[in-house]
Amino acid sequence: NAGVTQTPKFRILKIGQSMTLQCAQDMNHNYMYWYRQDPGMGLKLIYYSVGAGITDKGEVPNGYNVSRSTTEDFPLRLELAAPSQTSVYFCASSYSTGTTNYGYTFGSGTRLTVV
Amino acid sequence: GENVEQHPSTLSVQEGDSAVIKCTYSDSASNYFPWYKQELGKRPQLIIDIRSNVGEKKDQRIAVTLNKTAKHFSLHITETQPEDSAVYFCAAAGTASKLTFGTGTRLQVTL
Repeated sequence: NAGVTQTPKFRILKIGQSMTLQCAQDMNHNYMYWYRQDPGMGLKLIYYSVGAGITDKGEVPNGYNVSRSTTEDFPLRLELAAPSQTSVYFCASSYSTGTTNYGYTFGSGTRLTVV
Repeated sequence: GENVEQHPSTLSVQEGDSAVIKCTYSDSASNYFPWYKQELGKRPQLIIDIRSNVGEKKDQRIAVTLNKTAKHFSLHITETQPEDSAVYFCAAAGTASKLTFGTGTRLQVTL
């Protein structure tokens, strides 16, 4: 039982490049999330998914895209990387009934630098 | 949407003293309030949570209180130890289990 697995752990991108951050969970959680954490700041929600085939925008979705083709995987796509996307990205998952929420399990994070 | 404010941003206490971190939220529909601890370079870890139908919850040296009327909740750590030093985040969730996080409190426990 690995929990939430994120790859890669570190990445340096040049301005304008694209990449996909991978996230997989093996806990059969129905909800998955992507957050970014800027230095010394809290976590801001980028996108989330309540189940396979369903995604929705969070607080800061511009410059990102997601897909959820399976319960286990929730990749985050960065198109045309910009320095403002330099951050630590956390994927998380949780089980929810829709009315009863449970705590998130976070992945170990991806530290992305755009130069 | 939900807005969570957290105070103080930094807190220094002596070992053995108590630490209190306070948060307020704006959305009266929020019903779940977890607290996370994040050590330097690590992922946030859930340390305690409380639901809107409960006013207080305790787990050993950690307790959380919730005042729904005032829309605020607090984390209390008693008998602090050096290993309690970390950044603590409060959060609130309502629909779709979306957590809105506070900006964090850096707790330093000094010997």
